[in-house]
Amino acid sequence: GAGVSQTPSNKVTEKGKYVELRCDPISGHTALYWYRQSLGQGPEFLIYFQGTGAADDSGLPNDRFFAVRPEGSVSTLKIQRTERGDSAVYLCASSGKGLQETQYFGPGTRLLVL
Amino acid sequence: DQQVKQNSPSLSVQEGRISILNCDYTNSMFDYFLWYKKYPAEGPTFLISISSIKDKNEDGRFTVFLNKSAKHLSLHIVPSQPGDSAVYFCAAGGLTGGGNKLTFGTGTQLKVEL
Repeated sequence: GAGVSQTPSNKVTEKGKYVELRCDPISGHTALYWYRQSLGQGPEFLIYFQGTGAADDSGLPNDRFFAVRPEGSVSTLKIQRTERGDSAVYLCASSGKGLQETQYFGPGTRLLVL
Repeated sequence: DQQVKQNSPSLSVQEGRISILNCDYTNSMFDYFLWYKKYPAEGPTFLISISSIKDKNEDGRFTVFLNKSAKHLSLHIVPSQPGDSAVYFCAAGGLTGGGNKLTFGTGTQLKVEL
């Protein structure tokens, strides 16, 4: 079946602009995660949804970052007033609802803030 | 504070030999561990996992060993193949900090040479 999809695959924006990144999880997966990967680092947790609600948003770096999942499927990560330091690969993953469920990742969105 | 550490940034192995990738963790609340493989410009691909109630899990050419007292795990690939050349990430999860978020190491670049 179809895996996790993310759009756009690449996004170039200017400092101060607003961006939205979209994630379409595996069908039937109730849990959805956002991670951010900077060059030379492993993915870093941002936020986790169980259904429509954010179960853990402790990884969001500041209030410029916000994510929604209004119908419990597709999620959008929103970044306001982008800064050059926001440049990274933004990864989305989904899993079943239990503990110790394997997380399956999408291809990522490469964000470059000029 | 790096809770999951992969101290070898790179490893080179001959085709047909064993590849051993290592990972150390500091948080004793982690109770399951995963290995992901990542090719350039792709998202991480799940390889194998292990729960803290086990000390070994095997899947084909891949075996993960867990030593809880040493807070150490390793991934063995045997025999290694050129297609195994990728970056390998160790990840850990547990009931601490929201339950399902994963903490990743910084990765080990494996190169399997002919």
